[in-house]
Amino acid sequence: KAGVTQTPRYLIKTRGQQVTLSCSPISGHRSVSWYQQTPGQGLQFLFEYFSETQRNKGNFPGRFSGRQFSNSRSEMNVSTLELGDSALYLCASSLEGVSHGGTGELFFGEGSRLTVL
Amino acid sequence: AQSVTQLDSQVPVFEEAPVELRCNYSSSVSVYLFWYVQYPNQGLQLLLKYLSGSTLVKGINGFEAEFNKSQTSFHLRKPSVHISDTAEYFCAVSTIILTGGGNKLTFGTGTQLKVEL
Repeated sequence: KAGVTQTPRYLIKTRGQQVTLSCSPISGHRSVSWYQQTPGQGLQFLFEYFSETQRNKGNFPGRFSGRQFSNSRSEMNVSTLELGDSALYLCASSLEGVSHGGTGELFFGEGSRLTVL
Repeated sequence: AQSVTQLDSQVPVFEEAPVELRCNYSSSVSVYLFWYVQYPNQGLQLLLKYLSGSTLVKGINGFEAEFNKSQTSFHLRKPSVHISDTAEYFCAVSTIILTGGGNKLTFGTGTQLKVEL
């Protein structure tokens, strides 16, 4: 069974540009979550999508957005990049959340490392 | 709100020595607990999880953790570490989202385990 696939693995952008990151979840998983990882802030939750709908959202500005397609693949977009957006962006897929009988276990991809110059 | 505290940011240890990585959580409801490991330039990999039942949980690579409800702790242990265990370890609690369901893990700040010869 293939794991979570994220593309691209590495990318470099300049301030003011925008970027789109892609995530393909494990087959059968309908929930896709995104996390930002930085040395200073650690792992921070961005948002979660389930069946093409954003179900939960973290405390990030509106420059961060995402979407999910009917095949559960997800993309996240960051517009007007700032230096502070440099980070490892991790995508994770799962079956179902705790409140719906799931365990909340997340399966992570290897991440997309974004560098903003 | 749930939170996770990893008291040690770095733990140096000699090869073949035992190690314990500490994790405390706060939550007003029952939780599911996880330990993830992250090797350099990779995503997070699940080491073990506590969902219910026996408080001693065994995971991959010889790691185990003990859930202690009264002390709200979930410490990770390994009786004899190897050089290849050098990595960052994250404790996480599954956040119960009652409205709309959903999956969200709240992570600790991580513990860097450095195994030396």
